[in-house]
Amino acid sequence: DAGVIQSPRHEVTEMGQEVTLRCKPISGHNSLFWYRQTMMRGLELLIYFNNNVPIDDSGMPEDRFSAKMPNASFSTLKIQPSEPRDSAVYFCASTGGAGLVDEQYFGPGTRLTVT
Amino acid sequence: RKEVEQDPGPFNVPEGATVAFNCTYSNSASQSFFWYRQDCRKEPKLLMSVYSSGNEDGRFTAQLNRASQYISLLIRDSKLSDSATYLCVVGGSGNTPLVFGKGTRLSVIA
Repeated sequence: DAGVIQSPRHEVTEMGQEVTLRCKPISGHNSLFWYRQTMMRGLELLIYFNNNVPIDDSGMPEDRFSAKMPNASFSTLKIQPSEPRDSAVYFCASTGGAGLVDEQYFGPGTRLTVT
Repeated sequence: RKEVEQDPGPFNVPEGATVAFNCTYSNSASQSFFWYRQDCRKEPKLLMSVYSSGNEDGRFTAQLNRASQYISLLIRDSKLSDSATYLCVVGGSGNTPLVFGKGTRLSVIA
């Protein structure tokens, strides 16, 4: 069975450019999470969706970040304009449980470098 | 106080050693507890859940002390393949998502 799929796996872009990260959760899972991981701050929750509806986006750093989930099998995280401090690994995770405390399955991540 | 705190390490131990990691959490209403493992340049993966009565999975033992808001992970007979970062994860009620610690890095050396 396919796990959580993320693309691209690596992204190098220049400051000011728009970056779009993509995620396909595990089929049948109804909650999706976007995380950012850096050495300094660890794994930070940016936003999560339940049944395609954004529930909590309080972790989104600023208005430059936006996320959508148009259907149960696809989500995007967009950064516009990107800045060097956005450089990090971005993970998408999904869970099939009804609550939010069930095991989360992570995708392989997108390693973003903004120069 | 941070929600989930861990000693970042690194812990450098020889093969065969026993090593213990500790984690404290600030939310006394937390209901679920996990240890995740993250290999270098990989995604986190669930290692084991932590139950109030403590639980064991092979060489791994997890314990929870609710009164002290403290979680531990014990690894016996360490293997080279145990080298990774171990993330302590705490969940509240069903309406709040999991909170991840920054992780403790373990290096098992031959």
